[in-house]
Amino acid sequence: QSALTQPASVSGSPGQSITISCTGTSSDVGAYNYVSWYQQHPGKAPKLMIYDVSNRPSGVSNRFSGSKSGNTASLTISGLHAEDEADYYCSSYTNTVVFGGGTKLTVL
Amino acid sequence: QVQLVESGGGVVQPGRSLRLSCAASGFTFSRYGMHWVRQAPGKGLEWVAVISYDGSKKYYADSVNGRFTISRDKSENTLYLQMNSLRTEDTAVYYCAKDQMASMDYWGQGTLVTVSS
Repeated sequence: QSALTQPASVSGSPGQSITISCTGTSSDVGAYNYVSWYQQHPGKAPKLMIYDVSNRPSGVSNRFSGSKSGNTASLTISGLHAEDEADYYCSSYTNTVVFGGGTKLTVL
Repeated sequence: QVQLVESGGGVVQPGRSLRLSCAASGFTFSRYGMHWVRQAPGKGLEWVAVISYDGSKKYYADSVNGRFTISRDKSENTLYLQMNSLRTEDTAVYYCAKDQMASMDYWGQGTLVTVSS
């Protein structure tokens, strides 16, 4: 149950696109298409943004997209808005769940 | 609308026990698995445990296995986390979350557990 690897921080200007990577192993990220992404604003509960690698729940902006190649999943946010500034966590789910260490997104 | 409300947090001494509750409403509780996830102050998310929709399957993180027990009461629409032999490193906000096919689609607001002498 080792944590997935995410960059500690990323940044971008309003309107730009950013990508957050999430690297695991062939036993977690690479094994199944059960990668999710969560957004967390300070003092708030996490919110599901992407599930099953690339699916968006109802109500999540289509500026958020997900993908996977091998043992690495990615979250892309296009057309950055100020309110996108938050922490983002990936997770991989088999019988147990493992999260990434989290990435702080700063909108400059 | 789906609501998850955690309770039972507080300050407890190392080695003692505490039981958290998560009251669920707005969905058919007995049809979904449920998770506990925690977040230490200033740190990232850490998955703690999951229980299947009928309570027949339970899985735990290595860090809590043997000390914590997840359970559910379908008559009360409530999820529980019994925490024994608490350690200072168990200090965290504990969230309950609804399972949705390999993701967690709804989360509670969390309850703070502080383990300190």
